[in-house]
Amino acid sequence: KAGVTQTPRYLIKTRGQQVTLSCSPISGHRSVSWYQQTPGQGLQFLFEYFSETQRNKGNFPGRFSGRQFSNSRSEMNVSTLELGDSALYLCASSQSGGDTGELFFGEGSRLTVL
Amino acid sequence: DQQVKQNSPSLSVQEGRISILNCDYTNSMFDYFLWYKKYPAEGPTFLISISSIKDKNEDGRFTVFLNKSAKHLSLHIVPSQPGDSAVYFCAASFSLSGGYNKLIFGAGTRLAVHP
Repeated sequence: KAGVTQTPRYLIKTRGQQVTLSCSPISGHRSVSWYQQTPGQGLQFLFEYFSETQRNKGNFPGRFSGRQFSNSRSEMNVSTLELGDSALYLCASSQSGGDTGELFFGEGSRLTVL
Repeated sequence: DQQVKQNSPSLSVQEGRISILNCDYTNSMFDYFLWYKKYPAEGPTFLISISSIKDKNEDGRFTVFLNKSAKHLSLHIVPSQPGDSAVYFCAASFSLSGGYNKLIFGAGTRLAVHP
């Protein structure tokens, strides 16, 4: 069974640009969550999608958005990039999100903003 | 407001000894706790969990202890091995309306096990 796949793995952008990251969950998983990892801050919750609906959102500005498609694949978008957006963005999937919370993570997309 | 705190950013332990990683939380509504392990260039992987109705869960060399009155949990690794060197994240979960859970993570503790 294939794991969670995130693309691209690495990317470099400049301030003011926008970026779109993609996540393909494990087959059969309907819940997709996004996290931002920065040194010293751990994993900060961005949002969670289930059946194409955003069910929960973290404390990030509106520049961060996402969506989920009918095949459960998800994308997140960051507009008007700032230097502080440089981070590892992790996607995680679970079957329903209504279980005990175990998530399966992808390897992440490392974004560098110059 | 950090609801899950890992106050030790790093820990160094000799191979064969016990590693103890600590985690504190503030929200008494949390009902499930998990530990994840992360190697460089990889995503976090689930290690062990514990429900709030228990105070201990053991899986091989890994044991998690939960002290609800102190809002504290710890992960014990015995004996520690060099392959255990990684960043360990503590996470907590609580049931939200709608029946689904959201994981809140700590900042992580980098464990180094040296020969």
